[in-house]
Amino acid sequence: SQQGEEDPQALSIQEGENATMNCSYKTSINNLQWYRQNSGRGLVHLILIRSNEREKHSGRLRVTLDTSKKSSSLLITASRAADTASYFCATDRDSNYQLIWGAGTKLIIKP
Amino acid sequence: DSGVTQTPKHLITATGQRVTLRCSPRSGDLSVYWYQQSLDQGLQFLIQYYNGEERAKGNILERFSAQQFPDLHSELNLSSLELGDSALYFCASSVSQGGSPLHFGNGTRLTVT
Repeated sequence: SQQGEEDPQALSIQEGENATMNCSYKTSINNLQWYRQNSGRGLVHLILIRSNEREKHSGRLRVTLDTSKKSSSLLITASRAADTASYFCATDRDSNYQLIWGAGTKLIIKP
Repeated sequence: DSGVTQTPKHLITATGQRVTLRCSPRSGDLSVYWYQQSLDQGLQFLIQYYNGEERAKGNILERFSAQQFPDLHSELNLSSLELGDSALYFCASSVSQGGSPLHFGNGTRLTVT
């Protein structure tokens, strides 16, 4: 079963706008990671946030984690056409640190 | 560039055949993971090796097998291929057994006809 579920499944916005994607999970976790996948390419790691962290930044990316709600959000500010991709969250929840992946959010940035 | 190399990039083969996919992990990474991605199934974890030993198994079919060699490169063997095995197969590597970022190769696109 999917531990991480991204929401929305698809998102289309204008270039320059901010994009927010959410990830919910069912059980307590060690870490939560966000990845980007351009069409037909390998996934690229964006950010890893640990269960005792609440927010992390990387460039135009901001990730928040709310363990009480079992959810995370990925915010991309000032979106660009190059941000068009699918975004996946992955959680690991036990001593084996095995990753459980969501189905992804497909983000389209319109020029 | 993730530093993970997968070969071949594309593979077209017939049902019933056997193929081998190869992966060289990023320098310094000891874990290798294999994933299958198809349109209707999303990203499916197949198997993980750490420093030559099998560490975790996911939804890997009995027709599929993998190994990691002493030089840490890995191979995924797919046999008795079926049309439904057509997918993108990704290899990823990480420095530890878990809890660290994965670095993905660009995948092998397998088409079974």
